[in-house]
Amino acid sequence: QKEVEQDPGPLSVPEGAIVSLNCTYSNSAFQYFMWYRQYSRKGPELLMYTYSSGNKEDGRFTAQVDKSSKYISLFIRDSQPSDSATYLCAMSVYLTNAGKSTFGDGTTLTVKP
Amino acid sequence: DGGITQSPKYLFRKEGQNVTLSCEQNLNHDAMYWYRQDPGQGLRLIYYSQIVNDFQKGDIAEGYSVSREKKESFPLTVTSAQKNPTAFYLCASSMGRAEAFFGQGTRLTVV
Repeated sequence: QKEVEQDPGPLSVPEGAIVSLNCTYSNSAFQYFMWYRQYSRKGPELLMYTYSSGNKEDGRFTAQVDKSSKYISLFIRDSQPSDSATYLCAMSVYLTNAGKSTFGDGTTLTVKP
Repeated sequence: DGGITQSPKYLFRKEGQNVTLSCEQNLNHDAMYWYRQDPGQGLRLIYYSQIVNDFQKGDIAEGYSVSREKKESFPLTVTSAQKNPTAFYLCASSMGRAEAFFGQGTRLTVV
């Protein structure tokens, strides 16, 4: 069983829809939770990160962490065609060594105009 | 602009040949990483280095080798011992924060 499981997708939604992307994990030691966005044939870029449980909002994006359920989510409001990409969740025990995070397999999102 | 540069963007390898992928960063980051990404799969760690002249194996190091002679450079060699090298390779760096910065990747194909 993988340490991090991500809803596989692919996901296709109309422009303006609310999107929910989800990951579950088994390692209770994870404290830092990241979401990366990866456009086709490009490297991932950090979208948001959250420490421990709670919500964090940045514009149209909200990251949510529920450590008791070992479940994290990324919500995208008013989705745009430019949001079409693969979204990767990542988790880390330590703040240092971010590159050693454990990644999910990614969910590919397509937002149709 | 600060960032990570990977070269080449596309690379073709013949059977039995070693090839080296370049990764250079000007972010002054101590830690650097190499990942492999296969279609529909997440990132799998090949090697990582936290300081110059030191590096550690990741989850899938067999058939790969690295060096870290300079802080800004972390080349990856895909050796002939790697039986299934066709993949997208990503280099990353970090510096004591939650964010890892990634390069644009090298797509390696065996011909």
